[in-house]
Amino acid sequence: DAGITQSPRHKVTETGTPVTLRCHQTENHRYMYWYRQDPGHGLRLIHYSYGVKDTDKGEVSDGYSVSRSKTEDFLLTLESATSSQTSVYFCAARGSDTQYFGPGTRLTVL
Amino acid sequence: KNEVEQSPQNLTAQEGEFITINCSYSVGISALHWLQQHPGGGIVSLFMLSSGKKKHGRLIATINIQEKHSSLHITASHPRDSAVYICALHGGSQGNLIFGKGTKLSVKP
Repeated sequence: DAGITQSPRHKVTETGTPVTLRCHQTENHRYMYWYRQDPGHGLRLIHYSYGVKDTDKGEVSDGYSVSRSKTEDFLLTLESATSSQTSVYFCAARGSDTQYFGPGTRLTVL
Repeated sequence: KNEVEQSPQNLTAQEGEFITINCSYSVGISALHWLQQHPGGGIVSLFMLSSGKKKHGRLIATINIQEKHSSLHITASHPRDSAVYICALHGGSQGNLIFGKGTKLSVKP
């Protein structure tokens, strides 16, 4: 798993509240990704990072922002959570010949 | 049109059976991944393929770049193989993966 951890692992929040999910890696990978997984859609890219302070949007970036101030940490923020953002969120890091995934965060927005 | 199509979507097998999961894609890629996800669990990369065939234990993955098709085979299937198997293309411009919707495999004892 390339030492990828995510926190929190589970969160329930209310519509309109801000939420930040954290991804931490210990292997100094340059590229990191946030995906969301929803039934019927598979995994979809939200945002990605190609280095410290270098980030860009993915396929489903609306309503999300990210930050990467250190190589090891990649944060995903929902500025004002909506019910459509109820999902399982996976962080991943790109290794030389594979991608390593974190354990996932299950987020429920009521 | 989805860039990645997996079949079947669901598969039930008896322990010991030979299993094949297929993945077809429509875009150029540099490599293809097969991933495994257990219920409620994380995602693990089983193989990354850019050509030919790879084998790891009872798992075999093949790819035909010209035909844009890959298969994952499981020999002598076991209940612990029950999981969702996901085909993912390594071809996104940002180095991200493009995922199929997965094949849910259930192996009965």
